Amino acid sequence: EPEVTQTPSHQVTQMGQEVILRCVPISNHLYFYWYRQILGQKVEFLVSFYNNEISEKSEIFDDQFSVERPDGSNFTLKIRSTKLEDSAMYFCASSDTSGGAVEQFFGPGTRLTVL
Amino acid sequence: KQEVTQIPAALSVPEGENLVLNCSFTDSAIYNLQWFRQDPGKGLTSLLLIQSSQREQTSGRLNASLDKSSGRSTLYIAASQPGDSATYLCALNMEYGNKLVFGAGTILRVKS
Repeated sequence: EPEVTQTPSHQVTQMGQEVILRCVPISNHLYFYWYRQILGQKVEFLVSFYNNEISEKSEIFDDQFSVERPDGSNFTLKIRSTKLEDSAMYFCASSDTSGGAVEQFFGPGTRLTVL
Repeated sequence: KQEVTQIPAALSVPEGENLVLNCSFTDSAIYNLQWFRQDPGKGLTSLLLIQSSQREQTSGRLNASLDKSSGRSTLYIAASQPGDSATYLCALNMEYGNKLVFGAGTILRVKS
């Protein structure tokens, strides 16, 4: 069964460093998303991406963050100059359409620890 | 702004019990509602999706209902098993924009 994959499963970085989190969405999906979950808190929407453009972003997704689809399979989230409060589980998701009966499929997550 | 509340926050039941998890929301402008399962430190597994025009969906021992007008959804788990122990999240797909808004979850423990 097709699934969303994410690498790495755990990333440890020093404050101020840049990190890139990688995702491979389900192959025929067109819509891509990033969410994050700080330990003990709700899952929060960060950004959605369609047709090589950001379609929506939350107030969390500031200039520190960027997303890219560098090739036909990968979808990346870059965090520049990481802060302690960026420590969280980051989930990638994909869907084949938007709205209606659309189901978003989630990857296993990348746990980011900023020291 | 959509607010999603899940009650109870935690639930502990003996194996075999039927149970109901509740999700309420303030904004009925939704496309659909998804119920997810999350195991500790793991990703999100989609359990059921209910479109805004539907009243319920069933998958095995799980049944989810949706009352959009009153802003409520329930997840019914029949004959609970220890393997059902996990956090259950409801999430709403909003009509404005294309994002899921999540509740805080219900932590379920089924004791053998």
